[in-house]
Amino acid sequence: NAGVMQNPRHLVRRRGQEARLRCSPMKGHSHVYWYRQLPEEGLKFMVYLQKENIIDESGMPKERFSAEFPKEGPSILRIQQVVRGDSAAYFCASSLKGQNTEAFFGQGTRLTVV
Amino acid sequence: QKEVEQNSGPLSVPEGAIASLNCTYSDRGSQSFFWYRQYSGKSPELIMSIYSNGDKEDGRFTAQLNKASQYVSLLIRDSQPSDSATYLCAGGGGATNKLIFGTGTLLAVQP
Repeated sequence: NAGVMQNPRHLVRRRGQEARLRCSPMKGHSHVYWYRQLPEEGLKFMVYLQKENIIDESGMPKERFSAEFPKEGPSILRIQQVVRGDSAAYFCASSLKGQNTEAFFGQGTRLTVV
Repeated sequence: QKEVEQNSGPLSVPEGAIASLNCTYSDRGSQSFFWYRQYSGKSPELIMSIYSNGDKEDGRFTAQLNKASQYVSLLIRDSQPSDSATYLCAGGGGATNKLIFGTGTLLAVQP
């Protein structure tokens, strides 16, 4: 029973490039959350998605960031024109029935912008 | 006011002692609460969930919820050095429709 799978584990991008982070939820889970974590800081909520729908994107920066969770395939967090301040660990979590049920995390993607 | 608040610590306890971690939340509509453990450089790992007032025990861990006081706690009995990590409290099911985390409490268990 595979857990939440994120890839890549590490991603290096030059300033101005695009970063695409992928998350495959646990089998049977249709709710996905994305969080960002800076060193020595807590998890900052970014976006909550269900299949084909964005439920809450109140934590997403208005520009350059987007997320999707298509009917088929993984959830994608996309960061356009990356800047050094985007360097962080990005974690994805999935749950069976939304925020009232247990959410399980993937291993994260460490994004470094050089 | 932060939605979920935790003392950042570090909380230092001797091996074998009880570690007590606390969390308060502001959204009275929150219905579910979770404790995660995060080792340095790793992803958060779910260790306890609690949905109703009272205590819930699982091995050396006990979660306590008091909705009237908007307070959640985690007790770790017989603390071990391997318990040294950051413990994250999270609340869900409230008005904000998302799972919100506190900033975490760093626990250090001294051998």
